[in-house]
Amino acid sequence: DVQMTQSPSSLSASVGDRVTITCQASQDISNYLSWYQQKPGNAPKLLIDAASNLETGVPSRFSGSRSGTDFTFTISSLQPEDIATYYCQQYENLPFTFGGGTRVEI
Amino acid sequence: QVTLRESGPALVKPTQTLTLTCTFSGFSLSTSKMCVSWIRQPPGKALEWLALIDGDDDKYYSTSLKTRLTISKDTSKNQVVLTLTTMDAVDTATYYCARAFRNYGLFDYWGQGTLVTVSS
Repeated sequence: DVQMTQSPSSLSASVGDRVTITCQASQDISNYLSWYQQKPGNAPKLLIDAASNLETGVPSRFSGSRSGTDFTFTISSLQPEDIATYYCQQYENLPFTFGGGTRVEI
Repeated sequence: QVTLRESGPALVKPTQTLTLTCTFSGFSLSTSKMCVSWIRQPPGKALEWLALIDGDDDKYYSTSLKTRLTISKDTSKNQVVLTLTTMDAVDTATYYCARAFRNYGLFDYWGQGTLVTVSS
C-alpha cells in the first residue's frame, strides 16, 4: 500500500496568514493526489484533484503543487471559515490511502 | 442532484457482523465509470478507505480488511451494501459512502456518515 505522510498534524495561524501543509507519498503516484477539507461534524469535501486542479467553486486562495513525491497544499490568506481538518489522498493505486490529517486552527 | 445516505445500526456487539446500506440518487451505478466507495473514520482519527464497487460489478477492498469485508449493489434499488464481519471495538467509526466518477479515487459526493459503535 502507498503510505501518505502528512505534516504538520495541527497548526495554529492568524486570519490572513499563509498556511502550508505537506504530504509525502512512499512511492511515485504521479499527480494522482487530492486534498479534502473536513469541517467538524461534516463529511469531507473535495477541494483539489490532480495535485493542483481546483474543484469548481473552491476559492482561489486554496492551491496545490507537486515536486516528485512531495505535495504541498496552501491557503494563501487564512479565513475564519477555513477552520477544518485537511487530508491528502492518493488515488494512483488501490487501495486508496489518506494522510493523517492536519487540523487548522485560528 | 446527487445525494447519498448511509443507514444501519448505531450499536453492534463484538463479534457481530455489521451491515450498512448506502442509498443514493442522482446517478446510476450501471455506468462502467461510476463507482461507490465506503470510507470510515474512527472518532478523532483519519479517514480510511474500505471498499469500492463499480458499474461493472468489479469490487476492490482494503488490504488489511479484505478478509472481513463484502461489498455488493442492487442497481434497481440504487443501493450499495457493505458488510464487515467479526466487529471489534477498533471498528467503532463513522462510516461514509461516497461516489466517484471521473476517477475511481476522486470522491466528489459523500453521504453524511453514520456512527457505528461496537460495545457489549
